[in-house]
Parts: sequence; structure tokens; C-alpha cells
Amino acid sequence: DAGITQSPRYKITETGRQVTLMCHQTWSHSYMFWYRQDLGHGLRLIYYSAAADITDKGEVPDGYVVSRSKTENFPLTLESATRSQTSVYFCASSSGDGGETQYFGPGTRLLVL
Amino acid sequence: AQTVTQSQPEMSVQEAETVTLSCTYDTSESDYYLFWYKQPPSRQMILVIRQEAYKQQNATENRFSVNFQKAAKSFSLKISDSQLGDAAMYFCARLTSGTYKYIFGTGTRLKVLA
Repeated sequence: DAGITQSPRYKITETGRQVTLMCHQTWSHSYMFWYRQDLGHGLRLIYYSAAADITDKGEVPDGYVVSRSKTENFPLTLESATRSQTSVYFCASSSGDGGETQYFGPGTRLLVL
Repeated sequence: AQTVTQSQPEMSVQEAETVTLSCTYDTSESDYYLFWYKQPPSRQMILVIRQEAYKQQNATENRFSVNFQKAAKSFSLKISDSQLGDAAMYFCARLTSGTYKYIFGTGTRLKVLA
């Protein structure tokens, strides 16, 4: 009963490096999401995916790339990390088409030096 | 801009007492969903309660209940018989029906005093 998992849980990297955050869900949910959480901003949507090979931008997509070749995986890549991308990143998934509750992973804390 | 506002950055409550967290939102839609999520120190986001806007009856989940005032665009969370484990950040969120984009408030930190 793994649900939704994220790896790594903690990551320290340097400016300019590429970083990939992994997200895996075992519910076969169609929809998956990436959020970042920063003090004073709540959670903001970076990208989302409605199904394998279908992705779309959220509120703050710049500097991030996503892919979804399999339903259960939704990796988020920072192609060239910047200090402003220091944040806590949450992956979430939901089963249906609009109005569905989203279930969140445990989060990845990323520090960019 | 369609926003969700939590005007109380921090609240405190005595153990076993009742506390109400406020949330207001701005929307032009008539069909939407509202949520309260709890984020304890572990940072895991946990769904507390969900309300469909078309339902007049307020949602309840054990010690948690909401006061949903659609005309006033208000969605407060009441926690009864507060427990130490209720200490957390609480986020209010709105989701327009047929979409996938949550809009979150900035959160209220709840402290429970023994």
C-alpha cells in the first residue's frame, strides 16, 4: 500500500546542475501534479499531467521540465538549478476529471547552493 | 485574480477546546469544490475535509466540521475537542469543477496548548 512516493526526500545541489525529482504512484491515477511550497505562497502548481504523454503548464513552470512516459511515474527536472528553486516540492495525484481530491506525496526538500 | 485568503497566520487553542480557522475565496464560478488540508511537521499534506459547493449541508468528519457560506464566499474549519496531534499548518484550497488546478491559501499555523 505505497500510495504516492517521492525520491529523494532531501537534495542539496549547486547552481547550474541538473536535478531530477521522482514521483511514483500505485493507484493508477490518471492525473498527476507537481507543486512547490514556499513561505508566504502556499502551494503553487508547476506542471500537471492528465495521462501518459499529456502534460501542461501550471502557474510557475519556468525552469522546469516534466515527462510522463508511464502512468505511474511523473519526474520533474530542473535543467539548470537556480537558488530561487530552493523549495519543498510536492507531487500529487487524482483519479478523475475535475473536482477530484488530490493526494499528496511526502515532499522533497531541495536546497540549491 | 481568483484567490483564497486565510487571514489568520497563526492561531492557538487549549487542548480539548474548540477553534475555528477562517478562509475566504474569490470566484465567479458557481460549481466548485473546497478543501482543508493539514500539514503536520512531517510536511505530509493530509486531506481533512472536502465540501462540494452545490451542497447546502456542511461537511463533517469526526471532530472536524465546516461552516460553508456560499453567498459570503466563506469556508471556515471548526476543530472540536482539540488534541495535541492537531497542531499543524492548515491550508484552505478551492478547485473549480472540471479543472485540476487547486488554488491554495497561504495557511494558518495552529498551536495546541497542553
